[in-house]
Amino acid sequence: DTAVSQTPKYLVTQMGNDKSIKCEQNLGHDTMYWYKQDSKKFLKIMFSYNNKELIINETVPNRFSPKSPDKAHLNLHINSLELGDSAVYFCASSLPQGQNTEAFFGQGTRLTVV
Amino acid sequence: QQQVKQSPQSLIVQKGGISIINCAYENTAFDYFPWYQQFPGKGPALLIAIRPDVSEKKEGRFTISFNKSAKQFSLHIMDSQPGDSATYFCAARPGSARQLTFGSGTQLTVLP
Repeated sequence: DTAVSQTPKYLVTQMGNDKSIKCEQNLGHDTMYWYKQDSKKFLKIMFSYNNKELIINETVPNRFSPKSPDKAHLNLHINSLELGDSAVYFCASSLPQGQNTEAFFGQGTRLTVV
Repeated sequence: QQQVKQSPQSLIVQKGGISIINCAYENTAFDYFPWYQQFPGKGPALLIAIRPDVSEKKEGRFTISFNKSAKQFSLHIMDSQPGDSATYFCAARPGSARQLTFGSGTQLTVLP
């Protein structure tokens, strides 16, 4: 009954590969996010989607491409992986602005690029 | 530019003591200030949140103090327990946005 679930939990891959991380939420939220947590645990927003539409795209290399097939899913595809992409990636979801907008986070995907 | 500054980076407290973590912000458009707790290998989870129309909010052993004029807010953990050992993040969000801006985190260790 996990509210926000991400797969895989761990991902080890070589430089130059392409990989995807999947995220699903069963909370009925309409807004989903991807956050990146670096080695110093700093959390930074990458993307935000509302009802399958991209509404936030922070300064993220275009090798990162989010895809939202429906409002319960937000996947992250990363092309040509680089060493600096190693981090923990968190998916999150929330209700629309103006309501109880607590953001619920998934367990994270630890990406290691070697 | 870090919009939410958090201190200290790490904190060690004896069991039963008070843990205090401070945050400061610059953006006056921020109108929602949550604190998140993160255990190793887990995602952040909301602990307590406050809006700027109140100066304090208490939930159990956790209290947020908010000073709008100083643009500062803090988390107080009373009677700290070893199970409180985690990383704590303050965050802020403007009314016009959904995404959170996080502080840099505080690693809290409560000694038994």
